[in-house]
Amino acid sequence: ETGVTQTPRHLVMGMTNKKSLKCEQHLGHNAMYWYKQSAKKPLELMFVYSLEERVENNSVPSRFSPECPNSSHLFLHLHTLQPEDSALYLCASSQETGGYEQYFGPGTRLTVT
Amino acid sequence: ILNVEQSPQSLHVQEGDSTNFTCSFPSSNFYALHWYRWETAKSPEALFVMTLNGDEKKKGRISATLNTKEGYSYLYIKGSQPEDSATYLCAFTDNFNKFYFGSGTKLNVKP
Repeated sequence: ETGVTQTPRHLVMGMTNKKSLKCEQHLGHNAMYWYKQSAKKPLELMFVYSLEERVENNSVPSRFSPECPNSSHLFLHLHTLQPEDSALYLCASSQETGGYEQYFGPGTRLTVT
Repeated sequence: ILNVEQSPQSLHVQEGDSTNFTCSFPSSNFYALHWYRWETAKSPEALFVMTLNGDEKKKGRISATLNTKEGYSYLYIKGSQPEDSATYLCAFTDNFNKFYFGSGTKLNVKP
């Protein structure tokens, strides 16, 4: 395994479902990130974790709940989502937060029906 | 919310042409400026991270410059090749650890 992996790659869920997105990094990095890419919008930073501690929460609705059990794994728990939450969700990691380059996973394409 | 502007939104060039595009960002609370390349069906890939005013970075045919006082960065591609076709994203990091991406410049290089 190399780099940053994400599962699942595609997810279709109903508005009442509960699902989780998983991200794993094999780079020994201390910081991990969740981003949302909606159609025709810039990448939006959702959450930042540094050494398993959340350091940034960009006013994300509570129906998105992150979890970072260790520095290699990051989850995004989803419940009672809305159709407008349909987007590409990207995970990334970096050596530390701040000015370090980020390594991105392939993303999860989420569709909420 | 800060504005990171990229121009143009899209660009079509012929193979062999040189091209450049712009990223504009707030000049206050600057910490770092990143450039990423995002090819279709792949993950964004880091090209450069620049932190100092006047920084110039180069990787093969791609180079970037940074002006933090006026809040802009240029990305240059010399002798574009079809494999350079991608969306080029810039991202601004401020002193408060916040990260803002631009909408990207979509480059299409025709053989």
